Amino acid sequence: AQTVTQSQPEMSVQEAETVTLSCTYDTSESDYYLFWYKQPPSRQMILVIRQEAYKQQNATENRFSVNFQKAAKSFSLKISDSQLGDAAMYFCAYNPGTASKLTFGTGTRLQVTL
Amino acid sequence: NAGVMQNPRHLVRRRGQEARLRCSPMKGHSHVYWYRQLPEEGLKFMVYLQKENIIDESGMPKERFSAEFPKEGPSILRIQQVVRGDSAAYFCASSPGTESYNEQFFGPGTRLTVL
Repeated sequence: AQTVTQSQPEMSVQEAETVTLSCTYDTSESDYYLFWYKQPPSRQMILVIRQEAYKQQNATENRFSVNFQKAAKSFSLKISDSQLGDAAMYFCAYNPGTASKLTFGTGTRLQVTL
Repeated sequence: NAGVMQNPRHLVRRRGQEARLRCSPMKGHSHVYWYRQLPEEGLKFMVYLQKENIIDESGMPKERFSAEFPKEGPSILRIQQVVRGDSAAYFCASSPGTESYNEQFFGPGTRLTVL
């Protein structure tokens, strides 16, 4: 069974600084997809970024980028120029592909300080 | 294009009552997923449905819980004889089911409180 592990329950970053959230996963599949979701206090789940396992290039979305290490089964999220609105729970998720459930990690609560 | 709709947003039930949670997927989406989030935890998969069919219910408790996605109308997650441990946020997500990466779009969730 696939598992997703987020070992950092809480992280803190100063505004305008950079922070990296860690995620590791376990799977026997060779093709799959990895996601980072943000859950602000409103509890709405918002997709931040997606990575296809067959792509060697790391995904980037504005201030958000990932470091995908397939051999190490690691998928970290880097947030650059942190903003107060980035404060939220961040969940890493795994999906083996079409018509499949998402398997989530336990989340990392990110605090952004002035 | 409206997003995934869930209602009610908040639901309070007493122990032993029934809870019905509704989910209307995004227009054009025929795949619906239900997830449960217990306090201070991540989301856990419950069930995956396509129109009129349950595809994967491996995360659904064997008793008291059921789900449906009829040909017409929203998907319904039904919890019979609720207990305090059912208190959680229940999220519905939908996808068109056509892309390989299966991006799922989430609704705002229903927060169930069992007294």
